[in-house]
Amino acid sequence: QKEVEQNSGPLSVPEGAIASLNCTYSDRGSQSFFWYRQYSGKSPELIMFIYSNGDKEDGRFTAQLNKASQYVSLLIRDSQPSDSATYLCAVYRSGYSTLTFGKGTMLLVSP
Amino acid sequence: GAGVSQTPSNKVTEKGKYVELRCDPISGHTALYWYRQSLGQGPEFLIYFQGTGAADDSGLPNDRFFAVRPEGSVSTLKIQRTERGDSAVYLCASRIKGAPYNEQFFGPGTRLTVL
Repeated sequence: QKEVEQNSGPLSVPEGAIASLNCTYSDRGSQSFFWYRQYSGKSPELIMFIYSNGDKEDGRFTAQLNKASQYVSLLIRDSQPSDSATYLCAVYRSGYSTLTFGKGTMLLVSP
Repeated sequence: GAGVSQTPSNKVTEKGKYVELRCDPISGHTALYWYRQSLGQGPEFLIYFQGTGAADDSGLPNDRFFAVRPEGSVSTLKIQRTERGDSAVYLCASRIKGAPYNEQFFGPGTRLTVL
């Protein structure tokens, strides 16, 4: 089992819909969780992080964390074509000095 | 303020050659990380610096890879006797001292192509 798993997609949603991106992790000692957006040919851009169970909202983005289920998700409301990108889930694990990334989910928002 | 910068943006080299990739972190960020990203994969950790010393180099794939950060700011990743399998995007990230949740900010990356 990989430490951080994401469906590679692509996830296709129409403009204005809610996009739901999911991530599971294997290490119960994981402490904080990050969502990065990566446009094609560009580097990852941090859009949100969460560290306690529940929801965290920032504009159109909501991160959700369920530590009991080892599951973190990112909801994008009112999806725009400019949201089309690969979304990387990353986890900070206790005892490790760095982030562990999933492979990313490609999101396609059609006009 | 300025973000993380990396040079060169692209590097094409021949198998067996030596390359250096440079990273200039965000001012005031004491922690610096190197990652490598292959097509269709997430970034994979290579090495982490806290100040001048390598605090964790467990991700370096072999002894052809080496990195330095002599003054605690700019870092150079050095790859000897390059192989075609080294072709990837090399990403640098930095983090402010004391960031409680390990938030890291990435530079634009260097795309290395080994022919």
